[in-house]
Amino acid sequence: KAGVTQTPRYLIKTRGQQVTLSCSPISGHRSVSWYQQTPGQGLQFLFEYFSETQRNKGNFPGRFSGRQFSNSRSEMNVSTLELGDSALYLCASSPGFGGGGTDTQYFGPGTRLTVL
Amino acid sequence: AQKITQTQPGMFVQEKEAVTLDCTYDTSDQSYGLFWYKQPSSGEMIFLIYQGYYDEQNATEGRYSLNFQKARKSANLVISASQLGDSAMYFCAMRELLSNTGNQFYFGTGTSLTVIP
Repeated sequence: KAGVTQTPRYLIKTRGQQVTLSCSPISGHRSVSWYQQTPGQGLQFLFEYFSETQRNKGNFPGRFSGRQFSNSRSEMNVSTLELGDSALYLCASSPGFGGGGTDTQYFGPGTRLTVL
Repeated sequence: AQKITQTQPGMFVQEKEAVTLDCTYDTSDQSYGLFWYKQPSSGEMIFLIYQGYYDEQNATEGRYSLNFQKARKSANLVISASQLGDSAMYFCAMRELLSNTGNQFYFGTGTSLTVIP
């Protein structure tokens, strides 16, 4: 099975712009979660989508949004970029049904966003 | 309160030796899962091993084993016969199965492991 793919891998934007990141989960997985990783804050949960519905959301401002399509692919959008949004954005997929080990999250390579 | 605590920011180990990376967790959920991930400098998070709260035996996956002590709420990762390719950041994570948090994982701050030749 192909793994989780994320595009683009690298992105440079300027303050005030918006950005859209894409994630394609492992075939058959219906849950997609997004995390932001920075040196100062570590790994922080952004949101999770399951069957096109947001199932949970982390403590991020409304500038961060996401969606999931019927084929389970997911996008996240950040509007009005700030310098502090520079981070590695990781997407993780899992089956999304059960508990425990059956819902192990498998991560993509990440998108490294730099805001100038 | 932190859900996952990793108290070792950096660790060094000699090649071919074993090393233990510490992880303690905090949850009031009666049902949870514990995970370890490896993150090389490339950035991708690689799943290593899983331990369910209900597992009486410690999980093992090749050179990785998890020293699970439920009463102490600890889930330490043991890497045996360290290899140079084991040099990376290691993250402990938890999923609470009964709370209304979907599939949210809580991560620790990580431990940077360096394997010395």
